Amino acid sequence: AQSVSQHNHHVILSEAASLELGCNYSYGGTVNLFWYVQYPGQHLQLLLKYFSGDPLVKGIKGFEAEFIKSKFSFNLRKPSVQWSDTAEYFCAAFQYSTLTFGKGTMLLVSP
Amino acid sequence: GAGVSQSPRYKVAKRGQDVALRCDPISGHVSLFWYQQALGQGPEFLTYFQNEAQLDKSGLPSDRFFAERPEGSVSTLKIQRTQQEDSAVYLCASSPSRGKQETQYFGPGTRLLVL
Repeated sequence: AQSVSQHNHHVILSEAASLELGCNYSYGGTVNLFWYVQYPGQHLQLLLKYFSGDPLVKGIKGFEAEFIKSKFSFNLRKPSVQWSDTAEYFCAAFQYSTLTFGKGTMLLVSP
Repeated sequence: GAGVSQSPRYKVAKRGQDVALRCDPISGHVSLFWYQQALGQGPEFLTYFQNEAQLDKSGLPSDRFFAERPEGSVSTLKIQRTQQEDSAVYLCASSPSRGKQETQYFGPGTRLLVL
């Protein structure tokens, strides 16, 4: 079965620090990849997605992610985080008719 | 409403009780999904509807779980004879597209606690 691994369960950063959240999926082949974010008290919402084409994907709020097929990875990055980026981040992979989520990474940004 | 809504937001049930969780998808959305999210985990797929047809129920953990979407809009997830391991957040999501690979729009979830 497909699995998605997120490397860190909790990340704590100071404002203006750079962010990279790791995500690996288990199988090769055609895959659609997503990062969803859940801000405190809010719904899960899409941050960015990769279906095909340019492997560097830009999303909302200055986030980007890079699809590296050889590493089965889709890491999320942001050059300078803000306090408002405090949230839980979920990586998800659609493959073989199923959308599989990672366990999530809780990001806390201190002002 | 602009987004997916779910009710109730919180539900406490005694073990053995039946519960019904409601999802109102975004108007016009063809696809509807249910997920179960246990504490400290990501959402796990339960079932998928395209309009009123339940095309995939492979994620339903047991025959105590049943979902329907009779008119292709509102959906209900029913759990019979609830058990403590059913305690979780149940998320509903909808998508304007047919198929499961497109972006899904999530509701706030129903937090179920079985005592």
